Amino acid sequence: DADVTQTPRNRITKTGKRIMLECSQTKGHDRMYWYRQDPGLGLRLIYYSFDVKDINKGEISDGYSVSRQAQAKFSLSLESAIPNQTALYFCATSEPGGGGETQYFGPGTRLLVL
Amino acid sequence: GESVGLHLPTLSVQEGDNSIINCAYSNSASDYFIWYKQESGKGPQFIIDIRSNMDKRQGQRVTVLLNKTVKHLSLQIAATQPGDSAVYFCAEGADSWGKFQFGAGTQVVVTP
Repeated sequence: DADVTQTPRNRITKTGKRIMLECSQTKGHDRMYWYRQDPGLGLRLIYYSFDVKDINKGEISDGYSVSRQAQAKFSLSLESAIPNQTALYFCATSEPGGGGETQYFGPGTRLLVL
Repeated sequence: GESVGLHLPTLSVQEGDNSIINCAYSNSASDYFIWYKQESGKGPQFIIDIRSNMDKRQGQRVTVLLNKTVKHLSLQIAATQPGDSAVYFCAEGADSWGKFQFGAGTQVVVTP
């Protein structure tokens, strides 16, 4: 979805390096999410933010940190990358509504940690 | 533990036939369900949703059925086309949570 962009799209890094994945959205949504996807597993929530001042840990936050710089921007950092953080990372946005809350996903960042 | 390269279940469907993809959800408190389609190299894309006060909802060529008694969700795709080849997965959530639990997905392969 062009309304949610992620940079970089692909990244190769070495063990111990700190890296940042960035997400921007033009949908005007308050809620933003970071997920990782591994082969054969469902999306797992790393961090989520309901507004600029509200950040929450998801089910697998260890080794990650986030920054919500503005309503439109939500960055994910790997403090010291390790090989088992090799995965596909997705950013998503949503806006709560009476009829439900659909999440809109970015195209993903493929990360390889050597 | 981390992934060891699990394989997704695969549904092979002939072009023009109907597809049925199943999903068992885990939380009886979930009141909102979504089906997503994920094509290779792309992010998940919303297909259709359903709230727990409904049993069935139809969209264009797709129907979602919800059975709350057995916590089961299904997605039916009518007249499956080559462009329907993708991974399909369900998500369950609740308004009070603001977040979702995702299934691993089913790989749908459409053959001519």
